[in-house]
This record gives sequence, C-alpha cells and structure tokens, in this order.
Amino acid sequence: ILNVEQSPQSLHVQEGDSTNFTCSFPSSNFYALHWYRWETAKSPEALFVMTLNGDEKKKGRISATLNTKEGYSYLYIKGSQPEDSATYLCAFTSYNTDKLIFGTGTRLQVFP
Amino acid sequence: DTGVSQNPRHKITKRGQNVTFRCDPISEHNRLYWYRQTLGQGPEFLTYFQNEAQLEKSRLLSDRFSAERPKGSFSTLEIQRTEQGDSAMYLCASSLLGENNEQFFGPGTRLTVL
Repeated sequence: ILNVEQSPQSLHVQEGDSTNFTCSFPSSNFYALHWYRWETAKSPEALFVMTLNGDEKKKGRISATLNTKEGYSYLYIKGSQPEDSATYLCAFTSYNTDKLIFGTGTRLQVFP
Repeated sequence: DTGVSQNPRHKITKRGQNVTFRCDPISEHNRLYWYRQTLGQGPEFLTYFQNEAQLEKSRLLSDRFSAERPKGSFSTLEIQRTEQGDSAMYLCASSLLGENNEQFFGPGTRLTVL
C-alpha cells in the first residue's frame, strides 16, 4: 500500500511569518513528487514537480526540497501573506503507474 | 481560458438517480484523469485515459461508475443509482505523456446526494 502523509494537518500563522510543511512518501520505486496549492472554489494549482534527490525549486516566496532516499519533501513559504491561505497538497508517482497518490493536505490560514 | 474545464460545477441529486459529469482537458493533452475527494481526505485516483483508451481503473470505481473518452478529447463520468456515499468533489486533470506526468486540474464538480 502506497501511503503519502502530510503534516501538520492545519496551520494558522500571522502575516509575515515564515512556515514549512512536510510530505513523506514511499522511497522505493519513486518517480516524481508534486506540490499543489488548492484555494477554495478554484482548481488545484501545480506549484512544483520534482524528480531528483536533492532537488530544490523556488517560485517567488515558495520553495521546496526533495529527499528521495529517505522519502520526504519540505515546502517553505517565506513571509506568509493572507493570499497564501489555501490547502497545500503533495502527491507521489511511482515508475509503474501514472496516477497521483495524494496526501491529505496541510490547510494554511494566514491572518493579517 | 485554455485550462481544464468541468461541468457542472455543482450537482445535487436524490439517492438512486443517475448523474453525468463532463471534463474538457487542455486541448493538446493526451492523458485525462478522474479523481474523487471526500471531506478531510486528499484526492483519490479513479481512472485515467490515454487518448480514448482507458488504461487504469481503481478498485474504488464500483460497477455503478463508468467513464468514457470517445474521441480522445472530452470525457464523461457517469454514476448510476447514486448513493449518499458518492457525495464528493470529482476532479478531472489532464497531462501530456512524459513531462514528468505534470497534471493540470479543473475546478471540480461537487456532487451532493440527498
């Protein structure tokens, strides 16, 4: 059974705080790790796709790292803004399937 | 808007009725996926197509569920004899073969079965 776990389940931070979330996934048969941001009433938005151990990706104030040997990824948000409030989902794909296996998400609320 | 679109956005139905949802993928994408998300869970895979061929179906997909992609473009997901447990957000995504399987999602159809 392939299991993807995310922590924390939810997070409340003040505007300007930096924050990070964890995604853990099976390290065997790894192909790619995806991060999505999902705001209420909108489509999940792809943030990053990472495939290589040690990968680091950055988009504005958001960055992510990947460790495929130990099976975890971190997502960092620097200087959180209220518009960062959303559910952040990670998903794993393995070599023998193209489906995304999602974690349950981290729900972030940023207060002004 | 050239993203993935889904219709309807919301559907309320009575138990026992049939419902059909539609997904229009990004036009050049040859892969199309259906996922279902229930409260407190992440999206769960249901099925996917490459062009018009249905390549994989989850064991979650009971006999009451059927999906088609007849011309390799849009797809429909039909649920027959709906049950209250079918209430969920149904998400569609599309991708290009290769490209690290980066999937682009539509806004979903929220189904409520009364």
